[in-house]
Amino acid sequence: GESVGLHLPTLSVQEGDNSIINCAYSNSASDYFIWYKQESGKGPQFIIDIRSNMDKRQGQRVTVLLNKTVKHLSLQIAATQPGDSAVYFCAEKAGNQFYFGTGTSLTVIP
Amino acid sequence: EAQVTQNPRYLITVTGKKLTVTCSQNMNHEYMSWYRQDPGLGLRQIYYSMNVEVTDKGDVPEGYKVSRKEKRNFPLILESPSPNQTSLYFCASRPQTGYASPLHFGNGTRLTVT
Repeated sequence: GESVGLHLPTLSVQEGDNSIINCAYSNSASDYFIWYKQESGKGPQFIIDIRSNMDKRQGQRVTVLLNKTVKHLSLQIAATQPGDSAVYFCAEKAGNQFYFGTGTSLTVIP
Repeated sequence: EAQVTQNPRYLITVTGKKLTVTCSQNMNHEYMSWYRQDPGLGLRQIYYSMNVEVTDKGDVPEGYKVSRKEKRNFPLILESPSPNQTSLYFCASRPQTGYASPLHFGNGTRLTVT
């Protein structure tokens, strides 16, 4: 099976600081990557995605960076807010299947 | 509102008693799939369907069945549930056109098998 992992299981940041969440993937044939946010009691919520032919994509307060050379994906959240506290995980698409990381729990300290 | 709806949200059952978890989406998506989420393991795919009457095994299909008779519905069937199927289950869908479209998830079904 695929291996999609995160470097850190937990991350605590001060409100207003920037957050960086990392993800490693193993399949060089993966062509599409997604970051999801999961709050307690809810399903995963789409944040931002990136195709394999790109190395950076920006959204509102979020940026995804893709480094295919080292098979690494990161999510940057600018000016982190208390509402950003959740579990974040990455997903990669290989063929018709998606593979997910185990997640990083982000806690924002007011 | 565009959404994926799962029912029930919570289910407690006993070993061997057949159950079905329903999933419905109103976005006319071709692709639907089921995942289970366990602590420390992340989401693992059980089954997926590329379109009506087309289903394929994911990474952990043992003990599960699915059917795709209609585009909007993709029920997950546990013919004889066992305690190791206690988990949090998610249904998801996405359009099949193009490769770069994200999965949309339901809010989950927490299943406990005693």
